Amino acid sequence: GDSVTQMEGPVTLSEEAFLTINCTYTATGYPSLFWYVQYPGEGLQLLLKATKADDKGSNKGFEATYRKETTSFHLEKGSVQVSDSAVYFCALVTHGNYQLIWGAGTKLIIKP
Amino acid sequence: EADIYQTPRYLVIGTGKKITLECSQTMGHDKMYWYQQDPGMELHLIHYSYGVNSTEKGDLSSESTVSRIRTEHFPLTLESARPSHTSQYLCASSPWGRDRAYNEQFFGPGTRLTVL
Repeated sequence: GDSVTQMEGPVTLSEEAFLTINCTYTATGYPSLFWYVQYPGEGLQLLLKATKADDKGSNKGFEATYRKETTSFHLEKGSVQVSDSAVYFCALVTHGNYQLIWGAGTKLIIKP
Repeated sequence: EADIYQTPRYLVIGTGKKITLECSQTMGHDKMYWYQQDPGMELHLIHYSYGVNSTEKGDLSSESTVSRIRTEHFPLTLESARPSHTSQYLCASSPWGRDRAYNEQFFGPGTRLTVL
């Protein structure tokens, strides 16, 4: 069945460091891919998305590229801030299936 | 900004009590969802609805029930709360995309439930 695998956390970085959170997927068909973020004490919000191969989603300095050949959608940011500390979830949905398939989440801790 | 509301935000209750967690959205979305999540951990879909009078069970078995009498309202009820129900409950909604394709989910702030 369809699945999403994220790197385990927590990921701890210093402010201004480069961030990568790995996400790989298994899916039948051609999925749409998403990154959601959950700040402490809040619900989830969509960070970025990509709907077809080679699309790049971007928002708030974060980027992720839909790589069909490696079935990956890694999240990157060039210079993280303390305010980026949160839990990040990778997710997918395949056409005709209306439920999101979620990764386990990766907690990111940014130290000043 | 999404307009989806959950009440209460925090609830501490004794074993055996009946509780209802409220979820409302003002966006006119047909699809609504309930997730269970231990704080900062993965999400488990427990119920969803495609529209009025539609309710389905999700991937995670749950003793809760839901109803969808109005488009904007999707309450979740536990008839007899137990300590194992202690968790965070997140409500979400989404519209149908073009050609009924998937569209993003908008989340409420969550209800943190503690059953003593």
